[in-house]
Amino acid sequence: EDQVTQSPEALRLQEGESSSLNCSYTVSGLRGLFWYRQDPGKGPEFLFTLYSAGEEKEKERLKATLTKKESFLHITAPKPEDSATYLCAVSDNYGQNFVFGPGTRLSVLP
Amino acid sequence: NAGVMQNPRHLVRRRGQEARLRCSPVKGHSHVYWYRQLPEEGLKFMVYLQKENIIDESGMPKERFSAEFPKEGPSILRIQQVVRGDSAAYFCASSPGGTGANVLTFGAGSRLTVL
Repeated sequence: EDQVTQSPEALRLQEGESSSLNCSYTVSGLRGLFWYRQDPGKGPEFLFTLYSAGEEKEKERLKATLTKKESFLHITAPKPEDSATYLCAVSDNYGQNFVFGPGTRLSVLP
Repeated sequence: NAGVMQNPRHLVRRRGQEARLRCSPVKGHSHVYWYRQLPEEGLKFMVYLQKENIIDESGMPKERFSAEFPKEGPSILRIQQVVRGDSAAYFCASSPGGTGANVLTFGAGSRLTVL
């Protein structure tokens, strides 16, 4: 059974203080790993897809990386508007289900 | 180009009533997923449908819950005889399908409150 865990559960940063969020996964044949951002009261918003170990993707202050067992979402010099819950999900080669982790609640203080 | 549309956004029901949640996928998307989210928790998979077919309903409770995605019209998640524990946000997502690792596009969710 595919499993996704995320750490930390919650993270508070000062504006400009860089950090990383972790997503660890167990999957029988990775088809893709996904990062989403979710703001309170809204649906998840797609950020990145990673397909194979060693792959990296960047978007503004965010950079996602992938190894065979985990993914990191690096946030560089965050701003208060980066405050949100960041969700990680995987899909495998045997079905088209997407399994989500519990998320990391990020708060960036001005 | 509208995204995933869910309605109602908020629904209040008394115990024992029925709740019907509707989801119109992105135009051209033939795959629909339903997820449930409790406060401070992640998204829990419920059901995955293609047009007129349920592909995977392993996350859906065996009783009181049903889902459909007809040839015409939106996907419907139906909860019969609601109980307080059904109070949650229900999110619908769609994807184009195919052999690649398709990205899910989510709607804004339907928030069900059971009194």
